[in-house]
Amino acid sequence: SQELEQSPQSLIVQEGKNLTINCTSSKTLYGLYWYKQKYGEGLIFLMMLQKGGEEKSHEKITAKLDEKKQQSSLHITASQPSHAGIYLCGADLNGANSKLTFGKGITLSVRP
Amino acid sequence: DGGITQSPKYLFRKEGQNVTLSCEQNLNHDAMYWYRQDPGQGLRLIYYSQIVNDFQKGDIAEGYSVSREKKESFPLTVTSAQKNPTAFYLCASSIGPGAKNIQYFGAGTRLSVL
Repeated sequence: SQELEQSPQSLIVQEGKNLTINCTSSKTLYGLYWYKQKYGEGLIFLMMLQKGGEEKSHEKITAKLDEKKQQSSLHITASQPSHAGIYLCGADLNGANSKLTFGKGITLSVRP
Repeated sequence: DGGITQSPKYLFRKEGQNVTLSCEQNLNHDAMYWYRQDPGQGLRLIYYSQIVNDFQKGDIAEGYSVSREKKESFPLTVTSAQKNPTAFYLCASSIGPGAKNIQYFGAGTRLSVL
């Protein structure tokens, strides 16, 4: 089974709506990294979370790591077409921070 | 501009042929990584290197080989033993193990089989 589960698999929202996507682990998340990818391109780093309860924001995107450090959520406020893409979470699952395990990604479409 | 350069952008492989994907970085990063991305599969780690002249197998190393002779370069060879090489290949680099080991990615190489 997948060590990192992302949900939902895909999401279509109307421009201006808020949305939340999730990344759930079967193991402790020692470090959780959110990336965004446009189809056929490389990954762009968004945010990194390490401490339980930590929350970070960048422009209209907020990411949280829950207290138990096994789930992270990414919230987008007032979505725009520029938010469309694939959102992937990557995690350090062994504490050594030497490599990341990635989820399958969530495809977000934003309708104008 | 600092960054990670992957070449070529598109590559075609014939049956039984080995092909090499290039990855170069000028970020002075110690660690470099190779991932394979298939539709609906996310990223899977092929090989990674934390220092020059050393590398470790990732989750799907069979049919691939790497070298790390220079800090800035981490080429990936897809050998004829890899029976299903068609995929999008991504290279990344980072400062190395530590509190903020953020990986930065190249633009990718799409490999197809003729």
